[in-house]
Amino acid sequence: GENVEQHPSTLSVQEGDSAVIKCTYSDSASNYFPWYKQELGKRPQLIIDIRSNVGEKKDQRIAVTLNKTAKHFSLHITETQPEDSAVYFCAASRVGGSQGNLIFGKGTKLSVKP
Amino acid sequence: KAGVTQTPRYLIKTRGQQVTLSCSPISGHRSVSWYQQTPGQGLQFLFEYFSETQRNKGNFPGRFSGRQFSNSRSEMNVSTLELGDSALYLCASSPMGQASYEQYFGPGTRLTVT
Repeated sequence: GENVEQHPSTLSVQEGDSAVIKCTYSDSASNYFPWYKQELGKRPQLIIDIRSNVGEKKDQRIAVTLNKTAKHFSLHITETQPEDSAVYFCAASRVGGSQGNLIFGKGTKLSVKP
Repeated sequence: KAGVTQTPRYLIKTRGQQVTLSCSPISGHRSVSWYQQTPGQGLQFLFEYFSETQRNKGNFPGRFSGRQFSNSRSEMNVSTLELGDSALYLCASSPMGQASYEQYFGPGTRLTVT
């Protein structure tokens, strides 16, 4: 089955710096890769996602890149702010047909220092 | 639209008891997935329901079961509770159509087994 590895497990940056979180997946049939942000005591919130037919997607200060050949994808946050502090999870899924469950990485705790 | 709701939000049970958790998806969403979140194992997929049918099941013992009703509301049941079942149980709903794979999480049910 699918396995998703996420690095680093913790990341500390200064406000205004960029943050990069990387994930690798094992199932070449996976075709949907969402990223979730979970603040303490809150539900995971979908912040951006990418499908396998796209190499990069941006939404204001966040972007995701996908390398299907290497089977890895990354989350990039620019101009970080204290409110970006949270745990970020990557996930992979093979949607279509009878599939659809998300396999998650272990999470990255991002701390943005003012 | 109202978001995904889960009841109850908190639950304390003793070993050997059983518990039923409820999830109401976003209106119009037909797919409901359940995940277990623990500090050690992260987010793990339990099962997915679509149009009252279980489409996928994760690697959990048979003590974990679920169902989905005709209005897409879903319940999950855990029988013969063990201490290790203490976790945050999250459900996520998705339209799961060709155009949309996004899964949106509820606030979760925090289960404590003593």
